[in-house]
Amino acid sequence: AQKVTQAQTEISVVEKEDVTLDCVYETRDTTYYLFWYKQPPSGELVFLIRRNSFDEQNEISGRYSWNFQKSTSSFNFTITASQVVDSAVYFCALSEYRYRPGNQGGKLIFGQGTELSVKP
Amino acid sequence: DAGVIQSPRHEVTEMGQEVTLRCKPISGHDYLFWYRQTMMRGLELLIYFNNNVPIDDSGMPEDRFSAKMPNASFSTLKIQPSEPRDSAVYFCASSLGLAGALRPTDTQYFGPGTRLTVL
Repeated sequence: AQKVTQAQTEISVVEKEDVTLDCVYETRDTTYYLFWYKQPPSGELVFLIRRNSFDEQNEISGRYSWNFQKSTSSFNFTITASQVVDSAVYFCALSEYRYRPGNQGGKLIFGQGTELSVKP
Repeated sequence: DAGVIQSPRHEVTEMGQEVTLRCKPISGHDYLFWYRQTMMRGLELLIYFNNNVPIDDSGMPEDRFSAKMPNASFSTLKIQPSEPRDSAVYFCASSLGLAGALRPTDTQYFGPGTRLTVL
């Protein structure tokens, strides 16, 4: 069964610290997709990144970076030099693609989220 | 470009009343999803549509919940009768495709959500 685990419920850091949010996933499929979404205090869900299972290259976007390791089924998210505006709940999500009839691929399975608080 | 639009943003109603939540997906997106977010269960998929046709409604909690998509630019999620345990934030999301191709079009973009409180 598909499952996403974000073991860190809450993290609190001081501005300019680096912080890593962990994400561990379970899937039986060889083709799958991983996502990170941000939910700021205003409540909307903002897409951050999408990664497919064939691409293990790490990605960097400004102060954000993602480390994908299939060997450990992890897709961790690091914020460098954190800022107060980074305070939010961050969700990791998994989507499978199945070539079987009755394909139900594409459903996003979310982790429970990690609430990041960045203090000035 | 306009993102996913949901209305109302907040809804307070009394137990037993009918509640209708509305969603306008991003223009051109073929897939529309309804999610519910609660503290206890987190984010869970209720139902999704492809080209206005419901594909998977296995997440709909019970018969009190129903969803329709009469055209490509509008969907509703109805709860009748509503109960206090239905209190949650309901999100609508849309995408160009489903995960399954090596392209970014499967990414789901979410609306701002409707916060429902049933007293």
